Amino acid sequence: EVHLVESGGGVVRPGGSLRLSCATSGFTVDDYGMGWVRQAPGKGLEWVAGINKNSATRSHADSVKDRFTVSRDNARNSLYLQMNSLRAGDTALYYCVRGFLRGPLDYWGQGTLVTVSS
Amino acid sequence: EIVLTQSPGTLSLSPGERATLSCRASQDIRDRYLAWYQQKPGQAPRLLIYGASSRATGIPDRFSGSGSGTDFTLTISRLEPEDFAVYYCQQYSGSPPYTFGRGTKLEMK
Repeated sequence: EVHLVESGGGVVRPGGSLRLSCATSGFTVDDYGMGWVRQAPGKGLEWVAGINKNSATRSHADSVKDRFTVSRDNARNSLYLQMNSLRAGDTALYYCVRGFLRGPLDYWGQGTLVTVSS
Repeated sequence: EIVLTQSPGTLSLSPGERATLSCRASQDIRDRYLAWYQQKPGQAPRLLIYGASSRATGIPDRFSGSGSGTDFTLTISRLEPEDFAVYYCQQYSGSPPYTFGRGTKLEMK
């Protein structure tokens, strides 16, 4: 059974940094693109970043470009999101997802909450 | 960036009725790379439909998707109580960003 488990969320001050992790199991992670989607409290879904299976292709939403970086370690079955220069508008539940280039998001984790507040 | 517009924003129906949800794109979605997701309160979204009309694993056949180009539809043929939720469309065509619509809330009348 496919499992995606996020960690690393928390409360951080504006301008601060956080690194989110996603532990995967139940499938061969090397075979899939992966990504992150976020949802601000009471709002809709926003695609944040994606990375293909061998890390050759990465993409980030304009709203986080130059501040967030997606990466992966296939040997550790893990996906990461390094978030720098955090802003209040980055406050959201961050979901790890399976799927990227020209593929649907077929599995989702339960999310990790990031709160940016002074 | 492709903008997806979902309508209506809220749909009020009763169990047993038919639901029709719309998703319109600002430009053609090549290869029908359009997905639908269901999200219930406190839960992560779940993939329902991909490729505009293919049901994901385990999705009941009362859910169906159709459309091409810029106009897509999710139909729930006969609503069950567990179908009341928020539904999002997403395009994953061409290059990122792979945008979502703002969602349609399906509520019980």
